[in-house]
Amino acid sequence: GNSVTQMEGPVTLSEEAFLTINCTYTATGYPSLFWYVQYPGEGLQLLLKATKADDKGSNKGFEATYRKETTSFHLEKGSVQVSDSAVYFCALRKGTGNQFYFGTGTSLTVIP
Amino acid sequence: GAGVSQSPSNKVTEKGKDVELRCDPISGHTALYWYRQSLGQGLEFLIYFQGNSAPDKSGLPSDRFSAERTGGSVSTLTIQRTQQEDSAVYLCASSLGNTASNQPQHFGDGTRLSIL
Repeated sequence: GNSVTQMEGPVTLSEEAFLTINCTYTATGYPSLFWYVQYPGEGLQLLLKATKADDKGSNKGFEATYRKETTSFHLEKGSVQVSDSAVYFCALRKGTGNQFYFGTGTSLTVIP
Repeated sequence: GAGVSQSPSNKVTEKGKDVELRCDPISGHTALYWYRQSLGQGLEFLIYFQGNSAPDKSGLPSDRFSAERTGGSVSTLTIQRTQQEDSAVYLCASSLGNTASNQPQHFGDGTRLSIL
């Protein structure tokens, strides 16, 4: 079947620290991979995506590389800010069809 | 351009009452999804619609939950005889359909439902 597994939170970091949120997936075919972010009191927003192996998605200083050999899509940022405090969701969309599969979310708190 | 719009943004109702939640997807998006997000939890898939095809209802938690999508656009999620465990944020999302499998979902801000 199809599924997404994220590292459990909550994660607390100091400002300017390096961030990694792990995400691995199980999927048939060739899925597209996404990271969504949910800031406090807001809806989910697309952060970045990658649609094929070795693609790197990037946005707002965040990056994630589609690794087919390790079935992973880890989210990284070199220097986090307080404004990055949010819940981050990893998701996949099957290569065919419309079904999306989400991880359980990882809460990040960045302290000054 | 307009994003996914959900209404109401907040709903408080008494246990046992019926509620209707509305979602206006992005124009031209043929796929529409409903999710439930309980406090501190991830996204629970409820139902999705693709064009005029029969919806995938596999995520609906009970027969008190139903959803319609009229004219391939606006959708309503109905919860009958609400229970306290129905309290959650209900999120709607839309996306382009099958021919664009690399396209993401676009989410509304959700309806926060509280059952007293």
